[in-house]
Amino acid sequence: EAQVTQNPRYLITVTGKKLTVTCSQNMNHEYMSWYRQDPGLGLRQIYYSMNVEVTDKGDVPEGYKVSRKEKRNFPLILESPSPNQTSLYFCASTRLGTSGTAGELFFGEGSRLTVL
Amino acid sequence: QKEVEQDPGPLSVPEGAIVSLNCTYSNSAFQYFMWYRQYSRKGPELLMYTYSSGNKEDGRFTAQVDKSSKYISLFIRDSQPSDSATYLCAMSGHNTNAGKSTFGDGTTLTVKP
Repeated sequence: EAQVTQNPRYLITVTGKKLTVTCSQNMNHEYMSWYRQDPGLGLRQIYYSMNVEVTDKGDVPEGYKVSRKEKRNFPLILESPSPNQTSLYFCASTRLGTSGTAGELFFGEGSRLTVL
Repeated sequence: QKEVEQDPGPLSVPEGAIVSLNCTYSNSAFQYFMWYRQYSRKGPELLMYTYSSGNKEDGRFTAQVDKSSKYISLFIRDSQPSDSATYLCAMSGHNTNAGKSTFGDGTTLTVKP
C-alpha cells in the first residue's frame, strides 16, 4: 500500500527544546516536501527536496531545517521551537507528472505540534 | 494578495443536493489544477486532477477549469453524508520548484442526512 508515514502524530513541547518529525514514503518518489496547515492560511510549503542531498526552501522556511540522506526519508527539524510554530504539519511525497511538473501529492496523516 | 483564493464556506447542504466549490487564482503560469479532499484528522487525498481548461467528470464529481477567467470549480452531484469534508483546490505550473502545489484555504462541506 502506498504510504507516507510521519511521527509523532501529536506532540506538546516547550520553547527551545529541539525536536524532529520523521517522514518516510514507500513509493520511491524523488520529490518530497513539508507543509504546515493553519486556519485562514491554508497549506504552506516549508521545505522541499527534489532528490537525495538536494533540498531547498519553500514559502515559510524560517525556524526549520531538513535533510535528505535517503530517498525514502525526509525529516523536519525544529532546532529551537517557538509558539508561532504551533501548527499541523504534513509531509508529502509527489509523483511528478510526465512533463516533470507537480502531479499527485500523497500526504501523511499529519503531526499536530503545540509549542508552549 | 494570495495566489489562490477559495470560497471560504462553511457549506451545509441536505443529502442529494448539488454542491459547487470554487477557486480563483492570479498566477497565469498555473496549468495543472487539482482538488483534494481532507477528512477530519487526516491528510488531504487527491480527488480530481485536470490540465488546462475544460471539464473532467469522475462519477458524481465534475471539475471545471476556465483559464481565461482564472476560475476553477468542483461540482458534486447527489451529495452524500460521506462527502462531508474539507475540500482544497491546488494548482501548479512549470517553474523551478516543479513539484510544488499552491493550495487554497479550503471549504468545509457538511452534507446532512
